[in-house]
Amino acid sequence: DVKVTQSSRYLVKRTGEKVFLECVQDMDHENMFWYRQDPGLGLRLIYFSYDVKMKEKGDIPEGYSVSREKKERFSLILESASTNQTSMYLCASTVHRANEQFFGPGTRLTVL
Amino acid sequence: QKEVEQDPGPLSVPEGAIVSLNCTYSNSAFQYFMWYRQYSRKGPELLMYTYSSGNKEDGRFTAQVDKSSKYISLFIRDSQPSDSATYLCAIGGTASKLTFGTGTRLQVTL
Repeated sequence: DVKVTQSSRYLVKRTGEKVFLECVQDMDHENMFWYRQDPGLGLRLIYFSYDVKMKEKGDIPEGYSVSREKKERFSLILESASTNQTSMYLCASTVHRANEQFFGPGTRLTVL
Repeated sequence: QKEVEQDPGPLSVPEGAIVSLNCTYSNSAFQYFMWYRQYSRKGPELLMYTYSSGNKEDGRFTAQVDKSSKYISLFIRDSQPSDSATYLCAIGGTASKLTFGTGTRLQVTL
């Protein structure tokens, strides 16, 4: 079974802090994704990566950056957290470009 | 107009009922159609994956795609309380990105 893990289930940070969210997959998938999920808005793509050291902006990249130094690990960075970044963050991976994505359990981030 | 539209519900049905969940989409280039189930405070899990028009069945679940109408459906037969969750449709084209519906919350009551 594909396993996608995320470093924290719940996280509370203060406005202005730098926040790191980590995602690890164990199936040697090339493609990894970061989404945020908000009520009424569904899943929105923040960034994705097709390969190590490669990244592409999704639909809402502002205020975020990413890092992919190793194939199995994809990190989402909030450079200076703001209250409007309070959300559920979901990581996903897939082996092929147009295939089904496998999700991690999510990190519920609260920014005070 | 959103690329993918999905009724948010909530949808409440009695145990044993047949449930119909639907999404419409606007981009005729979409080729891959998926349904995810998401329990509260968990990540989405893939339920059904189809490519092209037609039906696909897996146990109590049937996914249906009508590309001419840009309409996809998920049917759940003999619904159980354990089916209570949010169901997300997801649609993809030739690129890797998926476009998700906002999800329909389903409650199956005893």
